[in-house]
Amino acid sequence: DSGVTQTPKHLITATGQRVTLRCSPRSGDLSVYWYQQSLDQGLQFLIQYYNGEERAKGNILERFSAQQFPDLHSELNLSSLELGDSALYFCASSSLDRGPPYEQYFGPGTRLTVT
Amino acid sequence: AQSVTQLGSHVSVSEGALVLLRCNYSSSVPPYLFWYVQYPNQGLQLLLKYTSAATLVKGINGFEAEFKKSETSFHLTKPSAHMSDAAEYFCAVSDWGGGGADGLTFGKGTHLIIQP
Repeated sequence: DSGVTQTPKHLITATGQRVTLRCSPRSGDLSVYWYQQSLDQGLQFLIQYYNGEERAKGNILERFSAQQFPDLHSELNLSSLELGDSALYFCASSSLDRGPPYEQYFGPGTRLTVT
Repeated sequence: AQSVTQLGSHVSVSEGALVLLRCNYSSSVPPYLFWYVQYPNQGLQLLLKYTSAATLVKGINGFEAEFKKSETSFHLTKPSAHMSDAAEYFCAVSDWGGGGADGLTFGKGTHLIIQP
């Protein structure tokens, strides 16, 4: 158990809909990362937040957005869903202290199926 | 942008045999390198990370990796494979420009199959 929790575990929705994925980082970790894992694209970094502020962006679509709240949990919002958005979405957290390299601890993921 | 290449999408070894999973990175400076393992229907677990303190890095579950700057490689090895090692293995790199704190760039993964 990494200490990172993600809800829900599974999500099935229709095209055009909007969903919200939730992540709680390990206790004390200020940085949260979101990743997408699909058969086509592999594991891709989407976005990173640090202590409530966006810190880095990866291959995140404009239809997707995220935020990190004062209690440090994070939400990834996916809108106007398409079939190709079906994937595993992982959240990871890191403390970003004690210098690099910074270990990222991954949650169990949310499996999104768009029908 | 930095990248990693994992040679071999599938590797099959016999139980007790040497495991060798290959990873080459593309970077003008030594990057921050990691190996992660993913068991079926689970998240990723860190096996080991390159810290520049030593070129041979020991990780969990008997795995180790050797950083070779001249070959831009960070191959993962285990002397004797166990059935429980069957999983997907990912090599990853962290962008030097972000101080190692940015999102990771992953290789496509290698599926390790252990034959009894």
